[in-house]
Amino acid sequence: AAGVIQSPRHLIKEKRETATLKCYPIPRHDTVYWYQQGPGQDPQFLISFYEKMQSDKGSIPDRFSAQQFSDYHSELNMSSLELGDSALYFCASSPPLADSYEQYFGPGTRLTVT
Amino acid sequence: AQSVTQLGSHVSVSEGALVLLRCNYSSSVPPYLFWYVQYPNQGLQLLLKYTTGATLVKGINGFEAEFKKSETSFHLTKPSAHMSDAAEYFCAVTLGTGGFKTIFGAGTRLFVKA
Repeated sequence: AAGVIQSPRHLIKEKRETATLKCYPIPRHDTVYWYQQGPGQDPQFLISFYEKMQSDKGSIPDRFSAQQFSDYHSELNMSSLELGDSALYFCASSPPLADSYEQYFGPGTRLTVT
Repeated sequence: AQSVTQLGSHVSVSEGALVLLRCNYSSSVPPYLFWYVQYPNQGLQLLLKYTTGATLVKGINGFEAEFKKSETSFHLTKPSAHMSDAAEYFCAVTLGTGGFKTIFGAGTRLFVKA
């Protein structure tokens, strides 16, 4: 079965650079979520999109922005990167009218800021 | 505010012994409850979930959890631990309102001794 695809899987950037993370949800899933998991931390919700509109917002820094495109894939744009942005970034998707609200997680993108 | 509390950041059991990982939640609306497992440098894998119906839910790898509304708990158990169970376990709650974001507990690292 198709899963959530995230690219790249690993990314190394320097401070003050910009990074773009991509997420391709499972086909026919219309909702995408982004989470950030710092070293030894639990995943923290950043932002979500439903039908290409932002549906909820969590602890996402102003330096970050995200959007969902017409094909439902999503991109997380991160500017002015800081050392503290080094983390594993997960994307998750869920299908329309999900009665279980189960989110299907991708493998994550590991961002290292040096 | 909704929250998830996992009692014990580290749990150590012997191979073949009972595994019990504790999770309590607080939610102003009926929650949907999940347990995820994360192996080192990997993504989140769903173990089991509770949405409605039977309060005892069975998941993969022999794990099960019981939803107890009166205790606001959703503890994870496995009768007999296996070495391959060593991992980080996250209890999570997804709210059935708003953007359906998932809130994770801090995680419990399970160690299995031979």
